[in-house]
Amino acid sequence: ETGVTQTPRHLVMGMTNKKSLKCEQHLGHNAMYWYKQSAKKPLELMFVYNFKEQTENNSVPSRFSPECPNSSHLFLHLHTLQPEDSALYLCASSQDKGLSGVNTEAFFGQGTRLTVV
Amino acid sequence: DAKTTQPTSMDCAEGRAANLPCNHSTISGNEYVYWYRQIHSQGPQYIIHGLKNNETNEMASLIITEDRKSSTLILPHATLRDTAVYYCIVRVSNFGNEKLTFGTGTRLTIIP
Repeated sequence: ETGVTQTPRHLVMGMTNKKSLKCEQHLGHNAMYWYKQSAKKPLELMFVYNFKEQTENNSVPSRFSPECPNSSHLFLHLHTLQPEDSALYLCASSQDKGLSGVNTEAFFGQGTRLTVV
Repeated sequence: DAKTTQPTSMDCAEGRAANLPCNHSTISGNEYVYWYRQIHSQGPQYIIHGLKNNETNEMASLIITEDRKSSTLILPHATLRDTAVYYCIVRVSNFGNEKLTFGTGTRLTIIP
């Protein structure tokens, strides 16, 4: 148990569906991240949120829409996905201490295994 | 962030020390060496990080060469549960967020 919980663990969706992935962290961290891990490829950073504000969008297509309503919750809204979007989607959190100190390491959730059919 | 090079795969006998090398010849003076691992079907797990001194914690030891162009992660007494993909990541730390750039890592298999 890492303190970062992702739901659902598995999701199968059609290309016309709309679904959302949820991430919750119980660590009091102020930074949250979405990563994508496709088969046979390295993990790719998708989005970064610091203090609920999106600070990085790594050229992610608009069919992926993140939302961070507070520093403990992060969502990834999905719509009109393609089969090649099937992957393991991982959420992570960390404590960004700015210039005042060394950050903690990133803590990852177990991921959501997404299959687009 | 500097690029890293790791062997694709390694085997290690259970109970022996597992030594995982990483080359980072273009590392800058303010870049740290991080190690994470990913056990099958789970999220990555932080192991250890360092700047220039050797580091040790309850999971592993990190040996960084004097010129900082390479490092070795040491799991002193490998168990079957240490079978995982191990990622060596070089990045600036101390401030900013923990944005990580993962490579393909080393697939370590512990043999009974």
